[in-house]
Amino acid sequence: EAQVTQNPRYLITVTGKKLTVTCSQNMNHEYMSWYRQDPGLGLRQIYYSMNVEVTDKGDVPEGYKVSRKEKRNFPLILESPSPNQTSLYFCASSFQPGGGGIQETQYFGPGTRLLVL
Amino acid sequence: KNQVEQSPQSLIILEGKNCTLQCNYTVSPFSNLRWYKQDTGRGPVSLTIMTFSENTKSNGRYTATLDADTKQSSLHITASQLSDSASYICVVSWMDSSYKLIFGSGTRLLVRP
Repeated sequence: EAQVTQNPRYLITVTGKKLTVTCSQNMNHEYMSWYRQDPGLGLRQIYYSMNVEVTDKGDVPEGYKVSRKEKRNFPLILESPSPNQTSLYFCASSFQPGGGGIQETQYFGPGTRLLVL
Repeated sequence: KNQVEQSPQSLIILEGKNCTLQCNYTVSPFSNLRWYKQDTGRGPVSLTIMTFSENTKSNGRYTATLDADTKQSSLHITASQLSDSASYICVVSWMDSSYKLIFGSGTRLLVRP
């Protein structure tokens, strides 16, 4: 089954304790992206990756890191989490964007709900 | 400033009725526009994607329209069902030096029996 998986689904942590949220896709997609979703603000892009070893900042990258060592995995790293990073996080993937049409459809993971105390 | 605005913010309709959701954007240069459905607590799921040259696209009871001249899109839901209760998100993409996406804040639809 084609899917994007995220782990963990729920996480409660304390300020300053490093954490990693994993994301994996089995569709051989080049493009992967992380978003956070907060009430009333919609989805905002944190980082994205056009392919292996190619990553770039989105709209709200502060406090986050990513890596893309393999095509299927795109982990999100919070080196020193703070309470303002409490949010719902989504990973998404698609084929290489820019060509338009159905191949640009993004597939989203189930989400990771993070609470930073 | 590139923006995507959706209206209404929320909508309540009775089961079986039709409804139309609006999306206005100021993104330029435009690449494509997508509509997503997001059930509470779950990831968004793609409904339609339209490029500049397409002005309508259907997916079952969902029909999206695009007017690239006025920079407006609408999502029409026909014969609503209880399972249509969700948030509907409009997303616009464009390419300049890199690939960019802007998400609207969504319309929350509640279908009542």
